[in-house]
Amino acid sequence: DAGVIQSPRHEVTEMGQEVTLRCKPISGHNSLFWYRQTMMRGLELLIYFNNNVPIDDSGMPEDRFSAKMPNASFSTLKIQPSEPRDSAVYFCASTPGGDTQYFGPGTRLTVL
Amino acid sequence: RKEVEQDPGPFNVPEGATVAFNCTYSNSASQSFFWYRQDCRKEPKLLMSVYSSGNEDGRFTAQLNRASQYISLLIRDSKLSDSATYLCVVPQPNSGYALNFGKGTSLLVTP
Repeated sequence: DAGVIQSPRHEVTEMGQEVTLRCKPISGHNSLFWYRQTMMRGLELLIYFNNNVPIDDSGMPEDRFSAKMPNASFSTLKIQPSEPRDSAVYFCASTPGGDTQYFGPGTRLTVL
Repeated sequence: RKEVEQDPGPFNVPEGATVAFNCTYSNSASQSFFWYRQDCRKEPKLLMSVYSSGNEDGRFTAQLNRASQYISLLIRDSKLSDSATYLCVVPQPNSGYALNFGKGTSLLVTP
């Protein structure tokens, strides 16, 4: 079975550009999470959805970040405009409702 | 105080050694706890869940001390393949399935 799918795997962009990260959760999982991981701050929860509805976006750094989940099989995390401090690995994870979260391979974002 | 705190290490141990990591958490109401493993440049994966006083799975033992609000992970007879970062994880209070991750403890097992 396919796990959580994220694209792109790597993204290099220039400051000020828009960045869109994509995630396809495991089929049947009804909760989806976006995380950001840096050396300094570790793994931070940005936002999560239950049944496509955003539940808690208190971790979203600022208005430059937005996330959507238009249906059960797709979510996006958008950064506009991007800044060098946004450079990090962004993970998407999903769960069927239990305690275990299944992570995608991550998107490594570099903003120059 | 941070929600979840871990000693970042690194812990460098020889093959066959026993190594233990500790983790402290701030929310005394937490009922479940987890250890995730993250290999270099990979995603985190669940290693063990801890719901009561502890859990054992082969060479891995997780113990919970609710009074002191810490969780430990013990690895016996360590293997080269155990080299990774171990993340202590505690559910966020009143937030469904959202999790708080520690920053991780780095383990390097050497020949």
